[in-house]
Amino acid sequence: QQQVKQSPQSLIVQKGGISIINCAYENTAFDYFPWYQQFPGKGPALLIAIRPDVSEKKEGRFTISFNKSAKQFSLHIMDSQPGDSATYFCAALLGSGNTGKLIFGQGTTLQVKP
Amino acid sequence: NAGVTQTPKFRILKIGQSMTLQCTQDMNHNYMYWYRQDPGMGLKLIYYSVGAGITDKGEVPNGYNVSRSTTEDFPLRLELAAPSQTSVYFCASKDSNTGELFFGEGSRLTVL
Repeated sequence: QQQVKQSPQSLIVQKGGISIINCAYENTAFDYFPWYQQFPGKGPALLIAIRPDVSEKKEGRFTISFNKSAKQFSLHIMDSQPGDSATYFCAALLGSGNTGKLIFGQGTTLQVKP
Repeated sequence: NAGVTQTPKFRILKIGQSMTLQCTQDMNHNYMYWYRQDPGMGLKLIYYSVGAGITDKGEVPNGYNVSRSTTEDFPLRLELAAPSQTSVYFCASKDSNTGELFFGEGSRLTVL
């Protein structure tokens, strides 16, 4: 199965709160899991990524948690800010190295209220 | 630093018309991709290229064609446009060292 299932479809969080977006996959051949952030009218841009040999990666206010046995990974945005309002896509790399293709989740639209 | 540039940004087509979406990158990346984005559906891979002269189908290639005559350019052609091709199209190139995709700003296409 080459799908990556992302939830929720939309999310509203108060400023200073924690935003959590979840993704699940079936194919154990996936071996690289990036998150992309997209602002209105722009293309997606890489936010943070993780490989399955670690359970957590943190970059500033953004953390990926990875559960290999459950085949799930999530993005946590701490101290969410209005500037974080965007669409977030999880993805998984199918295939190895440079020949692999990214499979994207359905996207989550995050709104952070001031 | 231009990165990935797509033209046009907006286009309205009539059913049955044809057009080409242009994509060029100045980062000397070998790998290039075309995705379409539809609400609630994420990004679906249409075609990709691993270098000049080499292209291959992605998840949703029907109704599209590509060519890759140079490293810089990767145009996407729509033949006989259909309403189902109304979408936002993104071109991307990949840094082979990091695996990071760099996206253009998108081309919004409406077929009426």
